[in-house]
This record gives sequence, structure tokens and C-alpha cells, in this order.
Amino acid sequence: GIQVEQSPPDLILQEGANSTLRCNFSDSVNNLQWFHQNPWGQLINLFYIPSGTKQNGRLSATTVATERYSLLYISSSQTTDSGVYFCAVVGSSNTGKLIFGQGTTLQVKP
Amino acid sequence: KAGVTQTPRYLIKTRGQQVTLSCSPISGHRSVSWYQQTPGQGLQFLFEYFSETQRNKGNFPGRFSGRQFSNSRSEMNVSTLELGDSALYLCASSLEVGTAFFGQGTRLTVV
Repeated sequence: GIQVEQSPPDLILQEGANSTLRCNFSDSVNNLQWFHQNPWGQLINLFYIPSGTKQNGRLSATTVATERYSLLYISSSQTTDSGVYFCAVVGSSNTGKLIFGQGTTLQVKP
Repeated sequence: KAGVTQTPRYLIKTRGQQVTLSCSPISGHRSVSWYQQTPGQGLQFLFEYFSETQRNKGNFPGRFSGRQFSNSRSEMNVSTLELGDSALYLCASSLEVGTAFFGQGTRLTVV
């Protein structure tokens, strides 16, 4: 099956800094999503981005499907950005089955 | 529009018991999928239902089962609970394809 790898596993930033999180996947995908898991465990949608570039405020994401990777950019980080960020994909033959990476744990210090 | 609702939020059960978790999807969404999150294994896919039919199944023992009703609400059941079943169980709903939206999860503790 598809393998999803996220890097780095852990990231510590000072408030105001920028960061880039990476997601590599091993096969073609129909769906790629980025999530932020809040302290209560809920996965919050950030982007649905199987290809191309999207921006939402201080966050943006780019997926290069032909090279099988996606990047999540966080600019001017805030303490509320802390938490775990997950990348998840759906393989081309499996509707509805999200395969998750292991996540990047981000800590933003004031 | 109401989001995905999971009940109960927290549950404590004893080894050997069974448990049923519930998930109400976003109105109009016909696909419901379930995931288990543990510190050791991360987020793992359990199964997906679409229009009352199981469309995909993950690699979990037969003790884990689910179903979907005609109103798209879904339940998952775990029988003969083991300590290792302690986890956060997350439900997601989506249209047939596209963005999956997650509920707040049910945190199950098996003692």
C-alpha cells in the first residue's frame, strides 16, 4: 500500500518564525489533505490539495503530484499553531480510505 | 451546517466487555469512515461505509465491526475488549469523493 512520510517529526519555533512541513507519498493519489489536531484530539481540516497550490491566511500548501510530495507552509507562527500536523492521502484505487503520515509535532514558543 | 458528531466522547470499559460508538455525519454526506489513533500505531483506517455498504476495510481483527443506517449514521462495535483497544476513535464523513471532515472523537479506555 501507499506509504506516507512526514518530516520533520518535531519542530520548535519562536513566535513569528516561518516553517515548512513536508509530506512524501509513495504512489499516485486521488486526495491529499492536511490536518491540524487540536489538544482535544479533533482533526481540523487545513487543506484539500491533491495538486497545485492553495493559501488560507498565514497557511499555504503546495502539492506536486508528479513528484509525490506536498508542503505545508506556516508563516508568522503563533502559539496557537502548536499541535500535531498530519498529511493524509487516498490512493487512486481506494475511495474514502485515508492513509496518514506519522505527523509533525510543532511547538511555537512565545 | 452541523459538523460530524460522535458519541459518547469518553468511555471506560472493562476487558472482555463490548462497546458501541456512534457517528452522525454532516447532512448530505453518504460516506462515513472510522479510524483508530494510538500513540504507538498512529492513525489507522478501520473501515468505510457508503450508502449502507462497507466499501473498504482496514487490517483489524473481526472483533471490530461497523454498520451504516439509511440516514447515513454509523456505528462501530468492538467486542471482547482488550487493553490494546484503548485509543481515540475518530469518525469522518465526506461526499463520495473529496474532503473528509472529522468528528471530535471518542476516547476509549479499557481497564
